Amino acid sequence: EVQLVESGGGLVQPGGSLKLSCAASGFTFSDSVMHWVRQASGKGLEWVGRIRGRANSYATTYGASVKGSFTISRDDSKNTAYLQMNSLKTEDTAVYYCTRQAAGTSWFDPWGQGTLVTVSS
Amino acid sequence: QSALTQPASVSGSPGQSITISCTGTSRDIGGYNYVSWYQQHPGKAPKLMIYEVSNRPSGVSNRFSGSKSGNTASLTISGLQAEDEADYYCNSYTSTTAWVFGGGTKLTVL
Repeated sequence: EVQLVESGGGLVQPGGSLKLSCAASGFTFSDSVMHWVRQASGKGLEWVGRIRGRANSYATTYGASVKGSFTISRDDSKNTAYLQMNSLKTEDTAVYYCTRQAAGTSWFDPWGQGTLVTVSS
Repeated sequence: QSALTQPASVSGSPGQSITISCTGTSRDIGGYNYVSWYQQHPGKAPKLMIYEVSNRPSGVSNRFSGSKSGNTASLTISGLQAEDEADYYCNSYTSTTAWVFGGGTKLTVL
């Protein structure tokens, strides 16, 4: 079964840091582009960023609202992608999803169940 | 990168057809056939419904169809059913910041 499971969410103070994990199974992780997407309560989906595979030098791209604050990485030996979030703001409060873009495709499937990050004092 | 433009809400009665539009620019929808659509029920993760403008993944009902004209993509749901009530999001590759979602459309089945 193709599956993604996020973990690491929780409550963090403004200015703090948090690292999310996305564990993958059921597909060839190393060939996949991994994305992070977030959704604030009652709001729409916002693309956060992506990391490509080894063939593309693990290149990363980020959305404008998180560029410079968030870093995406991956460990292909553990079939896991990560989202390091620094200098967190209250507006970063959201459910964070990871999702896969298979090699040679342009869509996101599957999606994890999401992990909630709350930035509050 | 601004979000793609979708209507905030649409509604229809069971058995009817509805269409959700998604408007972008020549830098995203108009420039690439990399448009996909996602269904999201409350409290659940998004689910892929249409990819590359008009293709349906295995397991998705043929009541769902997609199309594109110029800078606007559309999702049509025919034979509306109660379980279609959900939020729908379009997504496109963009030459500016790689990927962008629409603001989302809430579908109500009356």
